[in-house]
Amino acid sequence: GAGVSQSPSNKVTEKGKDVELRCDPISGHTALYWYRQSLGQGLEFLIYFQGNSAPDKSGLPSDRFSAERTGGSVSTLTIQRTQQEDSAVYLCASSGGGGVQETQYFGPGTRLLVL
Amino acid sequence: GIQVEQSPPDLILQEGANSTLRCNFSDSVNNLQWFHQNPWGQLINLFYIPSGTKQNGRLSATTVATERYSLLYISSSQTTDSGVYFCAVGNDMRFGAGTRLTVKP
Repeated sequence: GAGVSQSPSNKVTEKGKDVELRCDPISGHTALYWYRQSLGQGLEFLIYFQGNSAPDKSGLPSDRFSAERTGGSVSTLTIQRTQQEDSAVYLCASSGGGGVQETQYFGPGTRLLVL
Repeated sequence: GIQVEQSPPDLILQEGANSTLRCNFSDSVNNLQWFHQNPWGQLINLFYIPSGTKQNGRLSATTVATERYSLLYISSSQTTDSGVYFCAVGNDMRFGAGTRLTVKP
């Protein structure tokens, strides 16, 4: 596609429910990043994929968070048993994959509200 | 972890003015990036600059790695430069709190 797309754009859920957030990177981009932006914590890096593998998952806030990427393209960020502090905008970015020096292109984000 | 401080927190300029934004970090890093988030929330990756100087149009950035700071220069500011500017450092991309820039016409 022309840019990074994310779905849904908005999600309201009840505390304790699971949610899945999707990211479609720019076609051909091998690197994919997930970030979170909340009022309390600012911008946080969550996880990075090179191809289908994520060498470092330590940025994920808790074991309720998981992410996967299949076919070197679409990625899904799953939050289990959502808590109110999970409310945030979840941002995805992709890059050509040559390393951190490659320009990242961001999607519009998914705004998650946990009631 | 690495501490990242950005200054000033807020900056208001008249269109056409120049500005300098600063990012201080507490440890040596091999990754430093600048980002711009426009008032509608869209993030743009401006520079990857762990050391040295880069320029892109009216924007330029300099990182002095040995002194643990980076500067982002905006010349001849335009209203479209408004938004929040973030720096992020290190392999775990630790973000500063940002500088909110408002450029008035």
